[in-house]
Amino acid sequence: GAGVSQSPRYKVAKRGQDVALRCDPISGHVSLFWYQQALGQGPEFLTYFQNEAQLDKSGLPSDRFFAERPEGSVSTLKIQRTQQEDSAVYLCASRSLQGGYEQFFGPGTRLTVL
Amino acid sequence: DQQVKQNSPSLSVQEGRISILNCDYTNSMFDYFLWYKKYPAEGPTFLISISSIKDKNEDGRFTVFLNKSAKHLSLHIVPSQPGDSAVYFCAASRTTSGTYKYIFGTGTRLKVLA
Repeated sequence: GAGVSQSPRYKVAKRGQDVALRCDPISGHVSLFWYQQALGQGPEFLTYFQNEAQLDKSGLPSDRFFAERPEGSVSTLKIQRTQQEDSAVYLCASRSLQGGYEQFFGPGTRLTVL
Repeated sequence: DQQVKQNSPSLSVQEGRISILNCDYTNSMFDYFLWYKKYPAEGPTFLISISSIKDKNEDGRFTVFLNKSAKHLSLHIVPSQPGDSAVYFCAASRTTSGTYKYIFGTGTRLKVLA
């Protein structure tokens, strides 16, 4: 596709519910990142994939957060037993290994946990 | 411990004048810096970047200055236009870390007045 796409754009979950957020990176982009942006804050790194390998998951806030990219393209961020503090915008970004270091961001998924 | 700081939450500038957005960082291992612009309900969009081996990079109306000794960078927009009104994030990266993840500041909301 032309850019990074994410779905759903908005998700409302009841506390304790599991959610899955999808990211379609730019075709051919090897690197994929997930960030969490709380209200009034900058995005915070969650995890990084190179192809299907998850090379850095140091930013995942708890073991309720799990990300996968099984075929090296689409990625899913799963949050189990959602809590109110998980409410945030979840941003996905992708990057080509060629060219500069800039990452291209999707529009984000706004998650609201009630 | 916020490694990247944007101390001005907001800035208002008259159309046609210069906008100067500032960013400070604490980690001397950062070697690549970027500015992103964000409109509501959209993902961040890459604006301009600078490597630590340079002290200035220019792209049209946008110039980024880097002062490594002060651990400070700034974004100059000349002349400012109403369409520049958005939230601006600076981001820093360690390209030697292997993940190229970004550390973002908290953003500065720029309002360009017509």
